[in-house]
Amino acid sequence: AQTVTQSQPEMSVQEAETVTLSCTYDTSESDYYLFWYKQPPSRQMILVIRQEAYKQQNATENRFSVNFQKAAKSFSLKISDSQLGDAAMYFCASVNSNSGYALNFGKGTSLLVTP
Amino acid sequence: EPEVTQTPSHQVTQMGQEVILRCVPISNHLYFYWYRQILGQKVEFLVSFYNNEISEKSEIFDDQFSVERPDGSNFTLKIRSTKLEDSAMYFCASRPSTGGHTEAFFGQGTRLTVV
Repeated sequence: AQTVTQSQPEMSVQEAETVTLSCTYDTSESDYYLFWYKQPPSRQMILVIRQEAYKQQNATENRFSVNFQKAAKSFSLKISDSQLGDAAMYFCASVNSNSGYALNFGKGTSLLVTP
Repeated sequence: EPEVTQTPSHQVTQMGQEVILRCVPISNHLYFYWYRQILGQKVEFLVSFYNNEISEKSEIFDDQFSVERPDGSNFTLKIRSTKLEDSAMYFCASRPSTGGHTEAFFGQGTRLTVV
């Protein structure tokens, strides 16, 4: 079974600053995928970034990047130049090939962006 | 841009009543999912559906739940006899193909309130 742990229920960052959201996971699979999803107040889930476990290079999408430490089973999200629109719940998730590639989510981190 | 559509956006039902939540996945997608999110909690996997049958289901998805793809476009979740604890946000998602790396596209969710 896969477990995903987000140890920060809430984080706060000032506009234009950088913030890192933590995520650790546990899996017995050798091939897996990791994701960060954003859930704004509208409640819709939006993909932020993804990482294939077999890739050593950290994924980057504009202001969003990950620090993937495979040995430590850590998958943190860094948001640079934070904007007010980044305020949302952020969920870390892993893909479980034994569940039809369903997403297995952590409990989420609520990110507050202050002007 | 193609999107997953869910109806209704909000459903209020009395305890013990049957409810059907509807979803129109993105056409040409092959994998379909239902997730639920109890208020303030993480998003939980319910069921995955592929090739017109359930490919995997969680412990939450008991005999009170069923899914159908009746006409090749709609994907429905039925709860036969609703309980108070079924109150949650229900998300439908679809993916285009196999492989854990592909993005799951989520609908905007249906808020189910059982009274």
